[in-house]
Amino acid sequence: AQKVTQAQTEISVVEKEDVTLDCVYETRDTTYYLFWYKQPPSGELVFLIRRNSFDEQNEISGRYSWNFQKSTSSFNFTITASQVVDSAVYFCALSEGFFTGANSKLTFGKGITLSVRP
Amino acid sequence: DSGVTQTPKHLITATGQRVTLRCSPRSGDLSVYWYQQSLDQGLQFLIHYYNGEERAKGNILERFSAQQFPDLHSELNLSSLELGDSALYFCASRSSYNSPLHFGNGTRLTVT
Repeated sequence: AQKVTQAQTEISVVEKEDVTLDCVYETRDTTYYLFWYKQPPSGELVFLIRRNSFDEQNEISGRYSWNFQKSTSSFNFTITASQVVDSAVYFCALSEGFFTGANSKLTFGKGITLSVRP
Repeated sequence: DSGVTQTPKHLITATGQRVTLRCSPRSGDLSVYWYQQSLDQGLQFLIHYYNGEERAKGNILERFSAQQFPDLHSELNLSSLELGDSALYFCASRSSYNSPLHFGNGTRLTVT
């Protein structure tokens, strides 16, 4: 069965600090997809990034970067020069079931609450 | 704006009652998922519909049921409500198996 572990529960940083959110996953599938979502205090779930299991190229998008390492089953997310608006709960999620196609659901980690203080 | 619409935003009801939560997916998305978010359980998958057919069930109680209609909107029915059913209920849709889920803003259910 698929599982996503976000060992950090709460992180507090001061504005402009860099912060890395950890995610470790378990799956028996060879083809799967990983996602990060953000849930700001207003409550909506916002999609940030998707990565497939064949693509270990790390990505940078503005202040955000992602580090996918298949060897350690990790998909970590770094915010550079954090800002108060980054305060939110961040969820890592796994979607497997390539061969079951439309049946595949997202399994979420418990989330990491990030607080960025001014 | 994700394009997924959920109504109502808030619902307050008493134990033992029945409520219906409604979801309209993004235009063109055939898949609809329902998730429950509570403080102790996190985001839990409830059920998945694809083009009107139930495709997968998660930790959904027998008191809960759902359906997807020909116009692709979906409803989640919660009956014999208990205090522990108080949670944020999200609907999400996606266009294909490997695309991200796009979530609605959720329905916050409070059972008193």
